[in-house]
Amino acid sequence: GAGVSQSPRYKVAKRGQDVALRCDPISGHVSLFWYQQALGQGPEFLTYFQNEAQLDKSGLPSDRFFAERPEGSVSTLKIQRTQQEDSAVYLCASSLGSGNTEAFFGQGTRLTVV
Amino acid sequence: QQQVKQSPQSLIVQKGGISIINCAYENTAFDYFPWYQQFPGKGPALLIAIRPDVSEKKEGRFTISFNKSAKQFSLHIMDSQPGDSATYFCAARGAGNNRKLIWGLGTSLAVNP
Repeated sequence: GAGVSQSPRYKVAKRGQDVALRCDPISGHVSLFWYQQALGQGPEFLTYFQNEAQLDKSGLPSDRFFAERPEGSVSTLKIQRTQQEDSAVYLCASSLGSGNTEAFFGQGTRLTVV
Repeated sequence: QQQVKQSPQSLIVQKGGISIINCAYENTAFDYFPWYQQFPGKGPALLIAIRPDVSEKKEGRFTISFNKSAKQFSLHIMDSQPGDSATYFCAARGAGNNRKLIWGLGTSLAVNP
């Protein structure tokens, strides 16, 4: 596709429900990032993949958060037993290489936990 | 502790004026400093970026000024237009295998017609 695609765009989950957020990066992009953006804040790093390898997951806030990219392309961010503090926009970005190349962002998934 | 501090939080500029947003950082290992523009409901989009070996970079109406010794960098938007109204984020990235961006809190810019 032309850009990074994320689905769903909006997700409302009841507290305690599990959710899965999908990211389709730009074709051929090696690096993939997940960020969490709370309302009125800057994005906060969650995790980073280089191809299928998860090289950095230091930003995942708890063991309820899990991300995977099994074939080095599409990635899924899973949140188990959602809590109200998980409400945020989850942004996915991809970049062509592992060096200092531009990161392109998707439109994000807005998660609201009620 | 905020590793990248951004100011002001909000800014109102008249059409044709100059918008200036400032950022300061702590970690001298950062070696790439991008500015992103974000419209409501959209993801951030790269506007312009600089590396610490240059003091200024200009692309059209957008200029980054970089002061390595002061650990500060700023975005200047010349001839600001109503279409520039958006939230602007500065960010910084470390060298080596640490590819993550550390972001400022953002500046909401409103350009009045």
